[in-house]
Amino acid sequence: DSGVTQTPKHLITATGQRVTLRCSPRSGDLSVYWYQQSLDQGLQFLIQYYNGEERAKGNILERFSAQQFPDLHSELNLSSLELGDSALYFCASSVEGLAAGWGEQFFGPGTRLTVL
Amino acid sequence: AQRVTQPEKLLSVFKGAPVELKCNYSYSGSPELFWYVQYSRQRLQLLLRHISRESIKGFTADLNKGETSFHLKKPFAQEEDSAMYYCALSGIPSGSARQLTFGSGTQLTVLP
Repeated sequence: DSGVTQTPKHLITATGQRVTLRCSPRSGDLSVYWYQQSLDQGLQFLIQYYNGEERAKGNILERFSAQQFPDLHSELNLSSLELGDSALYFCASSVEGLAAGWGEQFFGPGTRLTVL
Repeated sequence: AQRVTQPEKLLSVFKGAPVELKCNYSYSGSPELFWYVQYSRQRLQLLLRHISRESIKGFTADLNKGETSFHLKKPFAQEEDSAMYYCALSGIPSGSARQLTFGSGTQLTVLP
């Protein structure tokens, strides 16, 4: 599969814990984006990385952090988890990053996080 | 700030009926607008973008800058069109990098 992949598919954990979500972009894509999709907030942009560097920040909590590695895969770290962090977390990738692109992003299947 | 509003959370139409999913945006610059679709248990995928003015799966959308709208239309809905539809705007908020802002989505159900 040459598309965006995310692991794990499902994650169940307890409040106060820390988890790491992983994303591998499409081959050749330099930008990785993280989104949170919850019932009450919809699809919220969290953060973008381009070729290893943070490019843009959206509504990302301080308890959350991300990084993009030299092989371009990205990890989203969520710590001190709360019940309200339960959501579907999507990763997307695209070719453009620094230049003004036309916005097509390719999405992964998501990781469903449940905090009990 | 850039904002996308989809006023309808749920929309049901009968098969063969016309369908229109509304999208309004707020953006001070020149926007790039998109419709993404998420079929049940599948990932989001791009349906169409305004700059290409194409028709995908019978859907079209026209950017109306005067009304700041980008409504999605299809003359004859099919059951396989049932999905969640997101309108999205690509812009540069407050000098930051270009970002894609999504609306809250409209769940379309096409009834037999």
